[in-house]
Amino acid sequence: GAGVSQSPSNKVTEKGKDVELRCDPISGHTALYWYRQSLGQGLEFLIYFQGNSAPDKSGLPSDRFSAERTGGSVSTLTIQRTQQEDSAVYLCASSPDRASYEQYFGPGTRLTVT
Amino acid sequence: GDSVTQMEGPVTLSEEAFLTINCTYTATGYPSLFWYVQYPGEGLQLLLKATKADDKGSNKGFEATYRKETTSFHLEKGSVQVSDSAVYFCAQRSQGGSEKLVFGKGTKLTVNP
Repeated sequence: GAGVSQSPSNKVTEKGKDVELRCDPISGHTALYWYRQSLGQGLEFLIYFQGNSAPDKSGLPSDRFSAERTGGSVSTLTIQRTQQEDSAVYLCASSPDRASYEQYFGPGTRLTVT
Repeated sequence: GDSVTQMEGPVTLSEEAFLTINCTYTATGYPSLFWYVQYPGEGLQLLLKATKADDKGSNKGFEATYRKETTSFHLEKGSVQVSDSAVYFCAQRSQGGSEKLVFGKGTKLTVNP
């Protein structure tokens, strides 16, 4: 079956511009996560959505970062006024439900801020 | 806060060598523990997991045992193959509250023929 998909696979943007990253989770998965993978910081949690509950935004590094999940499926991560330190690979993962231990990861979006 | 520390790489081995990648964690409770693998050009995949003390996770010849007394979850394989070349991440998931994974920084393994 189809896995988690993310788009675009690569994004180069100029400092100060806004970017949107998209994640399509596995159909039927109620939990969705965003992580960031960077050279200096490793893999960091950003935000977690579970069904219709309020998201856990505790990992978002600044108010320039936001995310939404429409209709309990597709999610968009938005970074406003991008900075060079935002350059990283942004990973999305989904899970069948809150109790499930396995998170299925997408291939990631490589963001480069010039 | 919760954290995971794993041995720094890179690790380079010859085919059929024994592999150990050390991983220790700090947590307020009793987390579930995982090893994820990222093969070149691919996404993160779950390799194995253990959800309580003394559990042993195993998959593809890899094993790791959840040791509460030493707060460790070391990854081992008796005989590595070239196809095992990848980056390995140790992770924990705390009970209750946020369902996030907390990852170690990753260990790059290269296996030479």
